[in-house]
Amino acid sequence: GAVVSQHPSRVICKSGTSVKIECRSLDFQATTMFWYRQFPKQSLMLMATSNEGSKATYEQGVEKDKFLINHASLTLSTLTVTSAHPEDSSFYICSARQNLNTEAFFGQGTRLTVV
Amino acid sequence: KQEVTQIPAALSVPEGENLVLNCSFTDSAIYNLQWFRQDPGKGLTSLLLIQSSQREQTSGRLNASLDKSSGRSTLYIAASQPGDSATYLCAVDTDKLIFGTGTRLQVFP
Repeated sequence: GAVVSQHPSRVICKSGTSVKIECRSLDFQATTMFWYRQFPKQSLMLMATSNEGSKATYEQGVEKDKFLINHASLTLSTLTVTSAHPEDSSFYICSARQNLNTEAFFGQGTRLTVV
Repeated sequence: KQEVTQIPAALSVPEGENLVLNCSFTDSAIYNLQWFRQDPGKGLTSLLLIQSSQREQTSGRLNASLDKSSGRSTLYIAASQPGDSATYLCAVDTDKLIFGTGTRLQVFP
């Protein structure tokens, strides 16, 4: 299958700082990327959908000013957690697909710990 | 709004049993459905993808079926092994990919 690379895999940051997570599709052009958040022992919660060159569409209850998503190219999307707080600590996973109705491929995930 | 539910939430079985994991969804207008496994603290491993026009897909000991009209998918695991222990997630694809609640499976020797 296609490869989606997500970095970093782990990050620890101080409260109040911002953290950027990158998601790259290595061998295909991704018109759509998804960002998910996963709390311990829970399923993946969709945060937002981003289409290349457009503003991201956020799910209800997700603060767009808190979680900044950029999808400036067909192979790269970034999620920036701004002014992070301990409650933002979680596992974040990105997904990318080439078109509607094509398989979505997932990054390895980023474990964020805010201290 | 698409809601995806998985039953059972948890399952503990002895090695060798054949298993059935269930996934139901409320909106049948899907493009495809995927099954994943997730090991503790890890990312997702894709198991099977069923397009909306298909009825089932098979890979080794795994078989997934899809009944779009009734909003159901089933993942069948034959001759379970301790290495199958993980959380299994289904995800339905409309214009966005929505995950089910998950089934935590433990297979003991």
